[in-house]
Order: sequence, then C-alpha cells, then structure tokens
Amino acid sequence: GQQVMQIPQYQHVQEGEDFTTYCNSSTTLSNIQWYKQRPGGHPVFLIQLVKSGEVKKQKRLTFQFGEAKKNSSLHITATQTTDVGTYFCAGPDTGNQFYFGTGTSLTVIP
Amino acid sequence: EAEVAQSPRYKITEKSQAVAFWCDPISGHATLYWYRQILGQGPELLVQFQDESVVDDSQLPKDRFSAERLKGVDSTLKIQPAELGDSAMYLCASSLHRGLIDTQYFGPGTRLTVL
Repeated sequence: GQQVMQIPQYQHVQEGEDFTTYCNSSTTLSNIQWYKQRPGGHPVFLIQLVKSGEVKKQKRLTFQFGEAKKNSSLHITATQTTDVGTYFCAGPDTGNQFYFGTGTSLTVIP
Repeated sequence: EAEVAQSPRYKITEKSQAVAFWCDPISGHATLYWYRQILGQGPELLVQFQDESVVDDSQLPKDRFSAERLKGVDSTLKIQPAELGDSAMYLCASSLHRGLIDTQYFGPGTRLTVL
C-alpha cells in the first residue's frame, strides 16, 4: 500500500543549528503539505506545494517539492526553541487518498 | 479566528462499551475529516466527508466504527464496541473546498483510553 516515510524519526539539535527532514512517498502526490504538531497539540498547517520542483520559503523555513512529486524536504535555518515539535509531510495521491508521513520529532537544546 | 471544535477532550471507557465523539468544523467548510493518531505516529485518515456525503472511508473499520454528517455541518464518530487497540487521539479537521484536498484545520482532538 501507499507509504509516506520521513527521515530522521528523531533529531536533537543545539539551538542555532540547522535542521532538515526528508519525506518520501511510494507514489506520486498531487501536492505536498507540511504540518507542525507541538507536544500535546494538534497538527497545524504550515504550507502547501503543488508544482514539480517548487521551492517556498517562510522566514527560516525552506520547503521543496521534488521533480517527480514523490519527495519533499523541510529545512530550518538557525533553529530556535520555538521550533520544537513533530513535523509531518502529507498529501493526496492521484486517487485523492490522503496520507500523512511518519513524522520527524525535533528537539532543540538551548 | 474560527476554530474546529471537538468534544469531549478526554474519554475513558471500558472495552466493549460504546463511545461517540463530536466535531463542529469551521463554518462554511465543505470537507470534514476524521483521523486516528496513535502516540508517536502520523494521523491516519479514517473518513472524509464532502458536505453530507462520504467520499473516502477505506480505512474505517466498519465492523465497529461509524461516522455521519447528516446536515453537512457537524459530525459524529462512533465506536461500538470499543477495543483496547482503539486507544488513541481522534482528530477532526476541516477544509474549505471540495475536490482536491487543500489546507486542513485541525481541532484539539479527543484522547480516548480504553481499559
């Protein structure tokens, strides 16, 4: 069946270091969405990418959608303690079935 | 800012009992989703409504789970009978548009514990 895997599963960084999470789907996605879930909270939408090869930036966050629309990445520059949480990629396949990735849990050490 | 409402926030039940969760999406949102999130995992889509119609319930365990959105507004998810493995966070989300899934706004969730 469809799988959306993220690596790494966990990442601990010192405050100020960069962080990247990678998302890989077994099938082509129509779009890719990224969500952040704080500990004890619910997923909050960050961004959506639609086009092959698309790159979008939100302040210190850079999002990329792969050329084949099967992978994506989220890069955070100079992490802050407020970046703590689990980052999920998600998207609908070409049959419009929606899948969340396995998530990457980020811990930022002050 | 409009939010998705869910109740109850916490539910403890014994196995074989029936439980029900309620969700009120953001006003005007056509699409409503129910997810199950097991601790440490990503949300798993259980059912998707577009207005009052089910558009995807392929991952819903239909022998014990049911969901409805009778008037195309709020929704109820029911489990009967509950099993130990149903312990999880049940999240409701809504999105504005019909058709291709776009930005989803999540509610605070209902934490279910089955004893």
